[in-house]
Amino acid sequence: GQNIDQPTEMTATEGAIVQINCTYQTSGFNGLFWYQQHAGEAPTFLSYNVLDGLEEKGRFSSFLSRSKGYSYLLLKELQMKDSASYLCAVGTGANNLFFGTGTRLTVIP
Amino acid sequence: DTEVTQTPKHLVMGMTNKKSLKCEQHMGHRAMYWYKQKAKKPPELMFVYSYEKLSINESVPSRFSPECPNSSLLNLHLHALQPEDSALYLCASSQDQAAGQPQHFGDGTRLSIL
Repeated sequence: GQNIDQPTEMTATEGAIVQINCTYQTSGFNGLFWYQQHAGEAPTFLSYNVLDGLEEKGRFSSFLSRSKGYSYLLLKELQMKDSASYLCAVGTGANNLFFGTGTRLTVIP
Repeated sequence: DTEVTQTPKHLVMGMTNKKSLKCEQHMGHRAMYWYKQKAKKPPELMFVYSYEKLSINESVPSRFSPECPNSSLLNLHLHALQPEDSALYLCASSQDQAAGQPQHFGDGTRLSIL
């Protein structure tokens, strides 16, 4: 089975940096995805990590440690539009995704 | 706008009705997925089609019946649903089922069962 944990809610200030953590226990791990979902909209792909280390993509970076079952998403220079839910998802088997409960991020002025 | 199109956007139906949800993509993707998402919960995988063949059924009740008429289309036929089936139904596609392929989601169909 899959067990994926994320904080339920976080609040951060515009212009700041925020780190959203995700821990997982899973069988058949073949990578970790981060998705962003605004209320009432589709999840959109942010990042994918399969090897240990940091992947940087503009203001967003994602880190993976397979031995620790741990990942984080780092958002820099926060903007109001970054207020959304951030979903950690483990890829297993043939590209099946199992999502964590999601972290609802609120960016305040 | 997303590259995966789902219709209808909203659907209200009674427990005895039969309806279908539709999903379409023109990215040449060969894997397509149905997810169910309840309010404030993450998406849960229901079905996976790979090269138009059903490859995964996550123990979904038979009142949900998927169909993949061709590589661009994915349907979800609904019959005799229960109130607890009210949710957002998301369709997604990926290049194929190789590990690491990002899935592209549609905006979903918000389903309400009366």
